Amino acid sequence: NAGVTQTPKFQVLKTGQSMTLQCAQDMNHEYMSWYRQDPGMGLRLIHYSVGAGITDQGEVPNGYNVSRSTTEDFPLRLLSAAPSQTSVYFCASSPLIGSAEAFFGQGTRLTVV
Amino acid sequence: GQQLNQSPQSMFIQEGEDVSMNCTSSSIFNTWLWYKQEPGEGPVLLIALYKAGELTSNGRLTAQFGITRKDSFLNISASIPSDVGIYFCAGQDLKTSYDKVIFGPGTSLSVIP
Repeated sequence: NAGVTQTPKFQVLKTGQSMTLQCAQDMNHEYMSWYRQDPGMGLRLIHYSVGAGITDQGEVPNGYNVSRSTTEDFPLRLLSAAPSQTSVYFCASSPLIGSAEAFFGQGTRLTVV
Repeated sequence: GQQLNQSPQSMFIQEGEDVSMNCTSSSIFNTWLWYKQEPGEGPVLLIALYKAGELTSNGRLTAQFGITRKDSFLNISASIPSDVGIYFCAGQDLKTSYDKVIFGPGTSLSVIP
């Protein structure tokens, strides 16, 4: 079982560049979300989706866009990378909308220079 | 916004010792969860608690949902080297944010063989 797959695992960007972090799950979960993890701050919700075609903002959405065209995929786009976006990004999915029991991907470590 | 506090921030223990850590909130939650994150990996769900006073075990791990609904505790008995990692608590209040989960900053556990 692949579960939640994130690509790439590591990425270095220059300030102002854009890129897309990919996330795919093969468990047919409706609910998917993106978090960023910074030292001493736990996981903070960026955006989430309760199903294909439906997305909403989390706690720290500025500078990020998402879309959900299929149940399986939930890409995160950085529009114009800034050093403050240096972080580890995790994608997660849950079997039930509103369920706190999540399956996480392995993460993408992003550095913006 | 809602915040969770975890203590201790980090622990260094001898193999075989028992471990206790806790998570507190200024808000009431009706779901508490504990996740473990190993280096280079995403968090993995250990235990989920849904009722005040609930005590749940998963092998050598035992977690409790505090009676006040503002705290939760995780105990690990007879620690082993593979217990190393960061332990995150997470809370969810279905009345106000059914689709958002708040994570604590984590407790880092090191086990000395």
